[in-house]
Amino acid sequence: GNSVTQMEGPVTLSEEAFLTINCTYTATGYPSLFWYVQYPGEGLQLLLKATKADDKGSNKGFEATYRKETTSFHLEKGSVQVSDSAVYFCALSSNAGGTSYGKLTFGQGTILTVHP
Amino acid sequence: NAGVTQTPKFRVLKTGQSMTLLCAQDMNHEYMYWYRQDPGMGLRLIHYSVGEGTTAKGEVPDGYNVSRLKKQNFLLGLESAAPSQTSVYFCASSYSWDRLYNEQFFGPGTRLTVL
Repeated sequence: GNSVTQMEGPVTLSEEAFLTINCTYTATGYPSLFWYVQYPGEGLQLLLKATKADDKGSNKGFEATYRKETTSFHLEKGSVQVSDSAVYFCALSSNAGGTSYGKLTFGQGTILTVHP
Repeated sequence: NAGVTQTPKFRVLKTGQSMTLLCAQDMNHEYMYWYRQDPGMGLRLIHYSVGEGTTAKGEVPDGYNVSRLKKQNFLLGLESAAPSQTSVYFCASSYSWDRLYNEQFFGPGTRLTVL
């Protein structure tokens, strides 16, 4: 079956520090990969996505590259801000065999706290 | 556009009580999903629907039922609530499962506590 593994959290950084949140996956077929962000008290929002190998998704200064050879989709940001404090979820959607209907498989989430 | 809305936002039930959570979307999406979020476990799929009148089981369907009588609405029912169903429930919708259009849009969530 499909699975997503994220680095253990929580992660605490100072403002302007470099951020990496590791994500690796196992899946059948050719999955699409996503990072979702959940701000306190809110639902999930799509942060970025990549649909094929070597694609780079980017948004709001965050980036992640779809690495098929290492089955990874690590999230990075060069300089974090206090407003980036949130929970980050890595997820995949695999349509192998045409029966998955876009169902998302999520990692466990990584809590990020950024201090001034 | 309201996007995906959920009602209620909060609810407290006693063991054995029943309730229905309502999800509505105004984006004309075919696909709708119900997830539950528990600490340290990410989101897990309960049930989903690929169109009006259709439903299917997800990863953790036991104790829940769903209905999709109208394209814009997806209802999640708990027939006899148990403390293990204490969770935050999220509804999501998407236009397609095709990789170009498979972004899921999430509602704000319903926090349910079963005593």
